[in-house]
Amino acid sequence: EVQLLESGGALVQPGGSLRLSCAASGFDFSNYAMSWVRQAPGKGLQWVSLISGGRGDPYYPDSVKGRFSISRDNSRNTIYLQMNRLRAEDTAIYYCARHACSGYSCDYVVHWGQGTLVTVS
Amino acid sequence: EIVLTQSPGTLSLSPGERATLSCRASQSINNNYLAWYQQKPGQAPRLLIYGASIRATGIPDRFSGSGSGTDFTLTIRRLEPEDFAVYSCQQYSSALSFGGGTKVEIK
Repeated sequence: EVQLLESGGALVQPGGSLRLSCAASGFDFSNYAMSWVRQAPGKGLQWVSLISGGRGDPYYPDSVKGRFSISRDNSRNTIYLQMNRLRAEDTAIYYCARHACSGYSCDYVVHWGQGTLVTVS
Repeated sequence: EIVLTQSPGTLSLSPGERATLSCRASQSINNNYLAWYQQKPGQAPRLLIYGASIRATGIPDRFSGSGSGTDFTLTIRRLEPEDFAVYSCQQYSSALSFGGGTKVEIK
């Protein structure tokens, strides 16, 4: 069974930093692209970052580029999201997400974690 | 960035009725790289449809997806009580982006 367990969410002041982790199990971790997707209170889903399987190429939307950094440790079956210069608008539940495989045709989310709450205030 | 606009924002229907949800893209989505998700309060989203029309594993056949280019539709043939939720579309043709969601509520 695929499991994704996020951790690291907290209350942080504007301008501060935070690192989220997502521990994965139940599948061949290194072969899958992974993403972070967030959801502000009462709002829709927003893609925050993606890391490819294999060599782990990162991708970001313009809204977080330069502030957020995604990485993976295939030996620990874990991805990370380093968030710097946090703003009030970054307040959200952050979901860890596993894609169908690794590649453009697979960039939809098959499995989701339960999320971790980040509050910037 | 491809912007996805979902309509209506809220759909008020009764169990047994048909639901038709729209997702319109600001530019053409290649290869029908569009997915639909269902989300219930306090839960993570669940994949329903990918490739615009392919049902994910375990999804009942009352859910169907259609469309191409810039206009896509999710249809729920006969609403069951457990189908009342928020539905979001997502494109993966150019980076990733999500629509704002449509809430299907009980009338």
